[in-house]
Amino acid sequence: AQKVTQAQTEISVVEKEDVTLDCVYETRDTTYYLFWYKQPPSGELVFLIRRNSFDEQNEISGRYSWNFQKSTSSFNFTITASQVVDSAVYFCALSGVNRDDKIIFGKGTRLHILP
Amino acid sequence: AAGVIQSPRHLIKEKRETATLKCYPISRHDTVYWYQQGPGQDPQFLISFYEKMQSDKGSIPDRFSAQQFSDYHSELNMSSLELGDSALYFCASSLVGRGGLNTEAFFGQGTRLTVV
Repeated sequence: AQKVTQAQTEISVVEKEDVTLDCVYETRDTTYYLFWYKQPPSGELVFLIRRNSFDEQNEISGRYSWNFQKSTSSFNFTITASQVVDSAVYFCALSGVNRDDKIIFGKGTRLHILP
Repeated sequence: AAGVIQSPRHLIKEKRETATLKCYPISRHDTVYWYQQGPGQDPQFLISFYEKMQSDKGSIPDRFSAQQFSDYHSELNMSSLELGDSALYFCASSLVGRGGLNTEAFFGQGTRLTVV
């Protein structure tokens, strides 16, 4: 069975601090996708990244970076120099790569960036 | 390019009424997924369709039904609405490649259903 665990329910940091959101996953698949989504107060799910299990390179996009460690089944997300606009719920998610595979979400981490 | 379109964006219904949510996938996408997100919860998979056939089914109540039409749009029909059905309903679409592998799924903006 597939499972995504986001142990941090809620995090508060002061603006400009760096913050890391943890994600640990379980799957029996040898090939899979990992995702991060942002859900601001308006409710939409904003796609941030998809990572193929074959690709363990870390990725950086502006202030965002992701650390994929297959050995520990983790896919952590770091926001550098956080801003108030980063306040949202962040979901880590997992899916297989086949036609019938659906995306399984973690419970989410609510991030508060304090001015 | 246009993303996944869901309508309506907001819907208010009374208990025991019926609701129909619509999803228009990205052009040429052949797979549609429906998710339900209750207040403070993570999105939960309801059902998916590939090439107009039901592909997978999650924890979808018997009161709900869905289908995908010839133009690939999908509708989620919800009958005998209950207060607990109040949630955000997301639709996502993807394209299954020739090898049967999914491209990434793109989510619509969601429909917020309130049952009163």
